[in-house]
Amino acid sequence: AQSVTQPDIHITVSEGASLELRCNYSYGATPYLFWYVQSPGQGLQLLLKYFSGDTLVQGIKGFEAEFKRSQSSFNLRKPSVHWSDAAEYFCAVGTSGTYKYIFGTGTRLKVLA
Amino acid sequence: DAGVIQSPRHEVTEMGQEVTLRCKPISGHDYLFWYRQTMMRGLELLIYFNNNVPIDDSGMPEDRFSAKMPNASFSTLKIQPSEPRDSAVYFCASSLGGGAFNEQFFGPGTRLTVL
Repeated sequence: AQSVTQPDIHITVSEGASLELRCNYSYGATPYLFWYVQSPGQGLQLLLKYFSGDTLVQGIKGFEAEFKRSQSSFNLRKPSVHWSDAAEYFCAVGTSGTYKYIFGTGTRLKVLA
Repeated sequence: DAGVIQSPRHEVTEMGQEVTLRCKPISGHDYLFWYRQTMMRGLELLIYFNNNVPIDDSGMPEDRFSAKMPNASFSTLKIQPSEPRDSAVYFCASSLGGGAFNEQFFGPGTRLTVL
């Protein structure tokens, strides 16, 4: 069965520091991969997505993610975190033949001033 | 576009009462999804519609839950009777076109508290 694992429940970084949020998936074929961000009291907003092609994907708000098939990973990165990036981040996989996303359990990011 | 609209944003009710959550998808979108978010289970897909027709309701937890989409611009999720364990944030999302590669646009959610 398809699954998504986000091993870090909470991450705290200082403003200006770099960030990497981990995501591992389990799926037999090439997945469709997404990162969403949820600010407090808000719905989910798409940061970036990967379907095929270049394995390094650029998204909004200065985020990028790299698809590594050999590691079944799709980690999210940002070179310099801003206080406004404090939120919860969800990795999701979409599988061909269905219209469903499977979401990870999320990583809550705290940014120290 | 105003995005996906959900109402109410917050709902507090007593156990046994009927609860109706509402969603207006983005105009022109042909897929609509209902999700539930809890601390214990994260984000779960409850049901989704294509062109107002329910396609997959395998995520609906019990018969107490029902969802309808009478037209392209409106959907409801009803819980009757409600129980404390139904307390969660319920999200509605819509997308244009099917396929797992289509971006889903999420509403702000309805926070439901059942006392």
